[in-house]
Amino acid sequence: EVQLVESGGGVVQPGGSLRLSCAASGFSFDDYAMHWVRQAPGKGLEWVSLISRDGGSTYHADFVKGRFSITRDNSKDSLYLHMGSLRAEDTALYYCVKDIDIWGDSFHVWGQGTLVTVSS
Amino acid sequence: AIQLTQSPSSLSASVGDRVTITCRASQGISSALAWYQQTPGKAPKLLINDASSLESGVPSRFSGSGSGTDFTLTISSLQPEDFATYYCQQFNGYPLTFGGGTKVEIK
Repeated sequence: EVQLVESGGGVVQPGGSLRLSCAASGFSFDDYAMHWVRQAPGKGLEWVSLISRDGGSTYHADFVKGRFSITRDNSKDSLYLHMGSLRAEDTALYYCVKDIDIWGDSFHVWGQGTLVTVSS
Repeated sequence: AIQLTQSPSSLSASVGDRVTITCRASQGISSALAWYQQTPGKAPKLLINDASSLESGVPSRFSGSGSGTDFTLTISSLQPEDFATYYCQQFNGYPLTFGGGTKVEIK
C-alpha cells in the first residue's frame, strides 16, 4: 500500500523557519516526482513545490520563491520542505503528494498532512 | 499563471440527481486537467486525469469531458458518499493551479 506520512509541523513565530518531512513507503520512491500542496484552514488547495525524481529539478509557486526549498533523499525514501521567513499567510495544512507519473504533474496519492501555524 | 474558474461554487442536490460542475481555464490547456474530491477532514482524492480518464477504483458514475478552456465533471447519479468539495487542477504549465472548489451539499 502506498503511504505518505508527513511530520514536522507546529507553531512558529513570523519570520521563523521549519522543516517538514515526508516518509514514503509502498512504492519505488525514486521513480516519481513529488510535490507539496497546502490548504489554509477553510480554504482551497494551493500547489507549493515540485521536485524531480533525482532532485535535480525543482519548481516553486511564486509566493514561496526565495523562502522555501524542496529536497529529497532517495536513500531514505523521504521528501522535505525547508520553510523560511514564514508569514501568517503560510498557516496551512501541508500535504506531501506523489505525482501520478515520472513527471506528470497531477496528484496521485496524498498524505494526511501536517499543520503549520505561523503566529506570535 | 493559468487561472481556473469553477462554477458553481456550491450546489444543493438530492441523492440520485445528475450533477455537473464546470471548470474554465484562462487560456487553453489542451487536456491537461485533473479533478479531485475532498470530504471533510480528509485529503483530496484524484478522480479523473487528462480531462476524461477515470482513475482506477473510481465509480463509473463520475465522468469528465472537455479540452482547451472548458471542462466538466459529471456525476450521473449522486450517492450519499459523493457529498464533498470538488476541485479542478491544471498541469499545462507552472505554477500548477487549482480551481476554487465546488461544494456539493445535500438538499
